[in-house]
Amino acid sequence: DVKVTQSSRYLVKRTGEKVFLECVQDMDHENMFWYRQDPGLGLRLIYFSYDVKMKEKGDIPEGYSVSREKKERFSLILESASTNQTSMYLCASSPTGTGNTIYFGEGSWLTVV
Amino acid sequence: QQQVKQSPQSLIVQKGGISIINCAYENTAFDYFPWYQQFPGKGPALLIAIRPDVSEKKEGRFTISFNKSAKQFSLHIMDSQPGDSATYFCAAGLGSGNTGKLIFGQGTTLQVKP
Repeated sequence: DVKVTQSSRYLVKRTGEKVFLECVQDMDHENMFWYRQDPGLGLRLIYFSYDVKMKEKGDIPEGYSVSREKKERFSLILESASTNQTSMYLCASSPTGTGNTIYFGEGSWLTVV
Repeated sequence: QQQVKQSPQSLIVQKGGISIINCAYENTAFDYFPWYQQFPGKGPALLIAIRPDVSEKKEGRFTISFNKSAKQFSLHIMDSQPGDSATYFCAAGLGSGNTGKLIFGQGTTLQVKP
């Protein structure tokens, strides 16, 4: 079974802190994604990566950055956390090509106080 | 043009009834339309998907109906069961490139009452 693992399920951080959300996939997928899930807004793409060290902005990249140094690992970084970044963050991966299933992790609930 | 609009936001159905969730898109470049199902505390998982060269796809109690001219597609859950209670997301995939990126709808929370 494909497994996308998000190391932190629940985090509480203070405003202004630097936050790292880590994600690892075990299926040698080329593509990895970070989505944010908010009620009524669905899943919004923050960043995606189609290869090591390659990244592209999604629909809501402001306030976030990413890092992909190894194929299996994709990190989301909040440089200076703000309360409006309180949300559920979902990491996902997929093999190359459109029409391929995107596999999601179980999510990281981030609360910024 | 990149948006996918999903309705209703929430839906309550009696056990055995039919659940219908609708989505609309604008970008005619989309060529892959999956539905994802998410249970509380879990990440979304692929339920069923369709390409625009067919008008309907059925897998068990789940059916996607696709209307290319109207740029709409819908999910029908026949004989809805309490175990179907979940959040459902429609999505659309872009035809160019190999990124596999999906644009998701706003989500529908389905509650099936016993």
